[in-house]
Amino acid sequence: GQQLNQSPQSMFIQEGEDVSMNCTSSSIFNTWLWYKQDPGEGPVLLIALYKAGELTSNGRLTAQFGITRKDSFLNISASIPSDVGIYFCAGQGGGSNYKLTFGKGTLLTVNP
Amino acid sequence: NAGVTQTPKFQVLKTGQSMTLQCAQDMNHEYMSWYRQDPGMGLRLIHYSVGAGITDQGEVPNGYNVSRSTTEDFPLRLLSAAPSQTSVYFCASSERDEQFFGPGTRLTVL
Repeated sequence: GQQLNQSPQSMFIQEGEDVSMNCTSSSIFNTWLWYKQDPGEGPVLLIALYKAGELTSNGRLTAQFGITRKDSFLNISASIPSDVGIYFCAGQGGGSNYKLTFGKGTLLTVNP
Repeated sequence: NAGVTQTPKFQVLKTGQSMTLQCAQDMNHEYMSWYRQDPGMGLRLIHYSVGAGITDQGEVPNGYNVSRSTTEDFPLRLLSAAPSQTSVYFCASSERDEQFFGPGTRLTVL
């Protein structure tokens, strides 16, 4: 089946720093999604990307749909302590069943 | 709207017991799915449904059953719980690609 490689696995940064994480796949995806999961909660959708080359922002978050359709990245600018959590990428390969394939997550720790 | 709700929030079972994890959504979404989350493994799809009366297997379906008699509800049944099914279970629903997740059920099988 389709697999996503998400990196890095974890990051420890200081408050105010910028963060970048990415996902790559051996398969083409039609949609890329980025989720954040707080401890003890379900994942929450941050950004959805539907077109190759698309660059979308949501506040301090910016994500891009790679031009080859096999990768995506997420940037967080000027990190704050509440950015702590696990960030997941997910790809949807097409078809009408909306099945998503998830990366294994990036654990972000922000030191105040 | 309550979104996606899951019950119970926590559950402890003994090996061999059966139980049903409940999931409901009030957004009139056709697509619903169940995932399990284990440390270092991300989210893995167990079963999904594209509408009432239609279900299909995901990546890790063994040991789990589902049914979809209404648009709103998508219960997940464990027929004979095993320690390997200790995990956090998430239900999600969507109208298209943007899936919305419930708060999860933490299941421990002893």
